[in-house]
Amino acid sequence: QQQVKQSPQSLIVQKGGISIINCAYENTAFDYFPWYQQFPGKGPALLIAIRPDVSEKKEGRFTISFNKSAKQFSLHIMDSQPGDSATYFCAASTGNTGKLIFGQGTTLQVKP
Amino acid sequence: GAGVSQSPSNKVTEKGKDVELRCDPISGHTALYWYRQSLGQGLEFLIYFQGNSAPDKSGLPSDRFSAERTGGSVSTLTIQRTQQEDSAVYLCASSLMGPGTEAFFGQGTRLTVV
Repeated sequence: QQQVKQSPQSLIVQKGGISIINCAYENTAFDYFPWYQQFPGKGPALLIAIRPDVSEKKEGRFTISFNKSAKQFSLHIMDSQPGDSATYFCAASTGNTGKLIFGQGTTLQVKP
Repeated sequence: GAGVSQSPSNKVTEKGKDVELRCDPISGHTALYWYRQSLGQGLEFLIYFQGNSAPDKSGLPSDRFSAERTGGSVSTLTIQRTQQEDSAVYLCASSLMGPGTEAFFGQGTRLTVV
């Protein structure tokens, strides 16, 4: 019930391409869905987040698409750059606790 | 500093010894989390402190693990009788209370049990 499933585990994209990472959840009480970016040796940092009352949110090259009926959400990175190479985690939480449950992570490599 | 501070950054300990990991959250943040990240793995939830409420300890893997938060600020994660499978990066995060608030992570403590 609390699980967030993320795929793929790893992803290789050419520079300028589109990176797509998917997540699915079971708990319909989740109402906040952030994505975190982690570089080696660093803690994760918030990249972009969405609430279930909207289907899409865009910030620069990063877009979250949200499908409430399917209980799925995804991160799209447009015009992927080598500097985007990192591990990406999706997460979900409920308003009454705020406890973040993370997906398993996706290691993205953008080739120059 | 303005961010979440964790100490030590690295810790090597012998199997069977106890270790204490420290987290200094961002001032004013009333929510505090501990996560464990094994090599190449995701973020495993350990424990969550939310204001004055009883902590959510549902992620602690065994009774060798415990955590406390003193005065609503600094937190200490204690691992007793360490085992080799405890080797991992332990990450602390803090946030303001309320739904949908950003969690800020520290750089983590890399624990190696030899």
